[in-house]
Amino acid sequence: QVQLQESGPGLVKPSQTLSLTCTVSGGSISSGSYYWSWIRQPAGKGLEWIGRMYTSGRTNYNPYFKSRVTISKDTPENQFSLRLSSVTAADTAVYYCAREAVRGVGGYYYYYMDVWGKGTTVTVSS
Amino acid sequence: DIQMTQSPSSLSASVGDRVTITCQASQDISHYLNWYQQKPGKAPKVLIYDASNLETGVPSRFSGSGSGTDFTFTITSLQPEDIATYYCQQYNNLPLTFGQGTRLEIK
Repeated sequence: QVQLQESGPGLVKPSQTLSLTCTVSGGSISSGSYYWSWIRQPAGKGLEWIGRMYTSGRTNYNPYFKSRVTISKDTPENQFSLRLSSVTAADTAVYYCAREAVRGVGGYYYYYMDVWGKGTTVTVSS
Repeated sequence: DIQMTQSPSSLSASVGDRVTITCQASQDISHYLNWYQQKPGKAPKVLIYDASNLETGVPSRFSGSGSGTDFTFTITSLQPEDIATYYCQQYNNLPLTFGQGTRLEIK
């Protein structure tokens, strides 16, 4: 059974870079038809998709974050990471990593986030 | 970006009630819609994928329907453990976007 676990600093200073790692157990991040994603949720608010990486290494990012975001992977460690630069208080949130499964046959595909980490709280404050 | 609008934002119902939540997309997303349940302090959990398919292990009292721009999520007989916030999410276009959530409470 695949499990995901986020880790990283819980406190980041404004203008610095937020760095989080998601460790995947029970499956490889480099095999299968999956995207490895980051989603965040400010306290008391809704879910916001940040970006994702396919098993091939191809990435997609939410344009809202423009050039601030980078998702990368460490295959030997079976981890993928999020870097968000130039953070402000508005980046304070619970950050989740998730696996997005790609399922389907014959050209008909569907995508959904079937495994999530428990989330990690990141506060941006001096 | 595709905007997803859920209605209502909050809902109070009694155990055994039928509960319906709607989700409207700002443009046609075909059937590319998922529903998630999030309990307080927990990560979201997928219940319905591809608008109407029940994820493995999810109770059959949960269901989804719709296509195009209008979608419905239904709980046929509300149980105490269904207290949560429910989100729709589209995957027709990037960026992936979620509805604002519907908070479900027991009356």
